Amino acid sequence: DSGVTQTPKHLITATGQRVTLRCSPRSGDLSVYWYQQSLDQGLQFLIQYYNGEERAKGNILERFSAQQFPDLHSELNLSSLELGDSALYFCASSVGLGGPSSTGELFFGEGSRLTVL
Amino acid sequence: GENVEQHPSTLSVQEGDSAVIKCTYSDSASNYFPWYKQELGKRPQLIIDIRSNVGEKKDQRIAVTLNKTAKHFSLHITETQPEDSAVYFCAAPRTGTASKLTFGTGTRLQVTL
Repeated sequence: DSGVTQTPKHLITATGQRVTLRCSPRSGDLSVYWYQQSLDQGLQFLIQYYNGEERAKGNILERFSAQQFPDLHSELNLSSLELGDSALYFCASSVGLGGPSSTGELFFGEGSRLTVL
Repeated sequence: GENVEQHPSTLSVQEGDSAVIKCTYSDSASNYFPWYKQELGKRPQLIIDIRSNVGEKKDQRIAVTLNKTAKHFSLHITETQPEDSAVYFCAAPRTGTASKLTFGTGTRLQVTL
């Protein structure tokens, strides 16, 4: 158990809909990252938050947004869903900013599997 | 930004043989190189990492080597076992004010009996 909690584990919805994925980081971790993993694909970085503020942005679509709340949990909002958004969405957390000068280890949650029909 | 290339995409070895997975990176300022293992249907987990002040690091049957001049690093697994079957990802951080790990595309390792 990594200590990172993601809900829901599975989600099936229709095109055009909106969903929210939730992540609770490990106790004490200030950074939260979101990654997208499509079938047989690698881990695509979406966005990072550190202590409530956005710190890095990857290939995140405009239809997607995220935020980190004062209690450090994070939510990833996916709207106007398309078939291609079907994927496993991972949240990860780390103690610091995760840069080269830090320990760097990311602790991943079990993921939220989104299926868009 | 950082660009990480990983080879091969798939690797099949017999139990007991060695497996080697290679990655190259583009940002010469990168100084931290982790390897993550993702078993089928599971989350990625860190198995070993190396910093640029060392050339090699070992942990039992796994080792990572780093060549900063050539900007590549490799994962070596010796005496492979069926439980080593998984997808392995290398990663390197993007330097600058925005820090994030860029992952390679992954290597699916299959250890056959």
